[in-house]
Amino acid sequence: AQSVTQLGSHVSVSEGALVLLRCNYSSSVPPYLFWYVQYPNQGLQLLLKYTTGATLVKGINGFEAEFKKSETSFHLTKPSAHMSDAAEYFCAVPNSGGYQKVTFGTGTKLQVIP
Amino acid sequence: GEEVAQTPKHLVRGEGQKAKLYCAPIKGHSYVFWYQQVLKNEFKFLISFQNENVFDETGMPKERFSAKCLPNSPCSLEIQATKLEDSAVYFCASSHGAEGNQPQHFGDGTRLSIL
Repeated sequence: AQSVTQLGSHVSVSEGALVLLRCNYSSSVPPYLFWYVQYPNQGLQLLLKYTTGATLVKGINGFEAEFKKSETSFHLTKPSAHMSDAAEYFCAVPNSGGYQKVTFGTGTKLQVIP
Repeated sequence: GEEVAQTPKHLVRGEGQKAKLYCAPIKGHSYVFWYQQVLKNEFKFLISFQNENVFDETGMPKERFSAKCLPNSPCSLEIQATKLEDSAVYFCASSHGAEGNQPQHFGDGTRLSIL
C-alpha cells in the first residue's frame, strides 16, 4: 500500500522566512502526490498535485513542491511565509490500483511568528 | 454547485442516539468519499461511491455505520446507536473520476459530538 511520512508535526517560521514542510513517500513506482491545507474549522483545500511531467509543481498561494524520485520526497516550500499561511498541511497519496481512496500523512502544523 | 456542501456543520447527540450527516458533491462529480478525522490530524477512509453504487467500503465499521448516495438527493452517512468514540469530524469529498491523478475536493466537514 502507498503511504506518506511527514517529518515534523509542528514547524515554526518567522514571517517572511522560507517555509519547508517535508514529505516522503513509500512506493516502488512514482506515485501521484498531493498537498492539502486545512485552515481551522475548515475542510481540506488542494494546494498542488504531482501527476506526471514536470517535477517542480507550482500551487496556489505561492507554494510549490518538487518531486524527487531519488529521495522519494515531495517537500512543500514557499519562499516567504505570510501570517495567513498558518494552518495544518497534509501530504497525501492515492491508493495504488488506480481507484483512489487517499492516504494522508499525519499532518504538519505551520506556525508563523510575526 | 461548485463546492462540496456538508450539513449540518455541527451535530450533537447523546450516546445511543442516531446521527445522520449529509453531503452534496460538486455538480458533475461521479465519485463521493467519506473520511473520519478523529484526532486532529488523522484521516480514516470510510467509504466511497460511484454515483449511487458503493465503490469501496473497506473502511466502514459494519455494525452501526451506513451510507447512501441516491439520485437527485444528497449523499448521507448514518450512525446508529452512537458511541463516545464516534465523536469526530466527518469529511465528504468528491471527484470527477476515480483515477489516482484526480484530486478529491473536500467539504468543510460535520463536527459530530457524542455526549
